Amino acid sequence: EAQVTQNPRYLITVTGKKLTVTCSQNMNHEYMSWYRQDPGLGLRQIYYSMNVEVTDKGDVPEGYKVSRKEKRNFPLILESPSPNQTSLYFCASMRGYEQYFGPGTRLTVT
Amino acid sequence: KQEVTQIPAALSVPEGENLVLNCSFTDSAIYNLQWFRQDPGKGLTSLLLIQSSQREQTSGRLNASLDKSSGRSTLYIAASQPGDSATYLCAVRNAGNQFYFGTGTSLTVIP
Repeated sequence: EAQVTQNPRYLITVTGKKLTVTCSQNMNHEYMSWYRQDPGLGLRQIYYSMNVEVTDKGDVPEGYKVSRKEKRNFPLILESPSPNQTSLYFCASMRGYEQYFGPGTRLTVT
Repeated sequence: KQEVTQIPAALSVPEGENLVLNCSFTDSAIYNLQWFRQDPGKGLTSLLLIQSSQREQTSGRLNASLDKSSGRSTLYIAASQPGDSATYLCAVRNAGNQFYFGTGTSLTVIP
């Protein structure tokens, strides 16, 4: 089944403890992206990648890192999480013109 | 910077009614516009995509229109059903492959 998977789905952590949210797609899509969704602000793009080893900043990249070493994986790294990064995170991949979204990761930073 | 606005923020209609959701954007230099549906606790599902050169797209009971010059798109839902209850999001893609989303319209269809 064609899909975008994210792990973990739920995560509660403490300020400053490095974490990684994984994203994987099995559709051989070149484009992948990370978003965060906050009440009243909608989805905002954090980083995107056009292909392996090619990443670019989105609208809100501060405090995040990404890497794209393989086409199928696009992990999101928070090296020193802070409470303002508490949010719902979505990974997406794109074929042609349409984006396909993962189920989301709900992150709480205390 | 592109800004995308959706009005209304919430809408409640009786089953069977036709309805229109609105999306506006500030920069008309878009590559395409996409409408999504989001159910509580779930990811986004693509509904319709309109290229910048197109005026409308249809899928079943859904019809999306695009007026790029005025920075507006509408999503028309015909004969609404309770299963249509969800949050509807529009997103624009610029030529630089960045995406900008609206804050969504929460739709409730009352049986």
